[in-house]
Amino acid sequence: EVQLVESGGGLVQPGRSLKLSCAASGFTFSNYGMAWVRQTPTKGLEWVASISTGGGNTYYRDSVKGRFTISRDNAKNTQYLQMDSLRSEDTATYYCARHAGNNYFDYWGQGVMVTVSS
Amino acid sequence: DIQMTQSPASLSASLEEIVTITCQASQDIGNWLAWYQQKPGKSPQLLIYGATSLADGVPSRFSGSRSGTQYSLKISRLQVEDPGIYYCLQGYSAPLTFGSGTKLEIK
Repeated sequence: EVQLVESGGGLVQPGRSLKLSCAASGFTFSNYGMAWVRQTPTKGLEWVASISTGGGNTYYRDSVKGRFTISRDNAKNTQYLQMDSLRSEDTATYYCARHAGNNYFDYWGQGVMVTVSS
Repeated sequence: DIQMTQSPASLSASLEEIVTITCQASQDIGNWLAWYQQKPGKSPQLLIYGATSLADGVPSRFSGSRSGTQYSLKISRLQVEDPGIYYCLQGYSAPLTFGSGTKLEIK
């Protein structure tokens, strides 16, 4: 059974950093691109970043470029999202998702809440 | 960025009724379109990918279609477990973008 379990969320002050982790199981992690997607009540679902199978290619939405870094450790079956210089508008539930086929996501984690507030 | 205009924003329908939700892409995205269902407090679940292919384990009453840059999700006979919020996703080009969602309720 495919499982994606996020961790690392919480309350953080503006300008500070937070690192999310996503532990994967039930599939050959190194064979799949991975992604982070966030959700807020006002903006809905937003793709944040994606990473290729080997980690050599990364992609970001403009609003997080230069502040967020997606990475993965295939030996640990885990992907990460390092979030620096956090802003209030980064407040959201962050989902880890597995890429499949035509650039869609076939499995999602349960989500982790990130709140950026002083 | 490719805009996905989803309609209606909300929908109330009776059991066994046919329900249709649409997404209009701002440009050609081919078949790079997926549909998701999200229930309260849960993560989105894949229903349709490649515009028309049914994901594993999804009931056959769900179907997807395409006409040019308009994409539709049809539920042929609404069931009690179908309420939730439905989203489309375009995977044609970055940034990947979602529709704004359709909240489906049982009348």
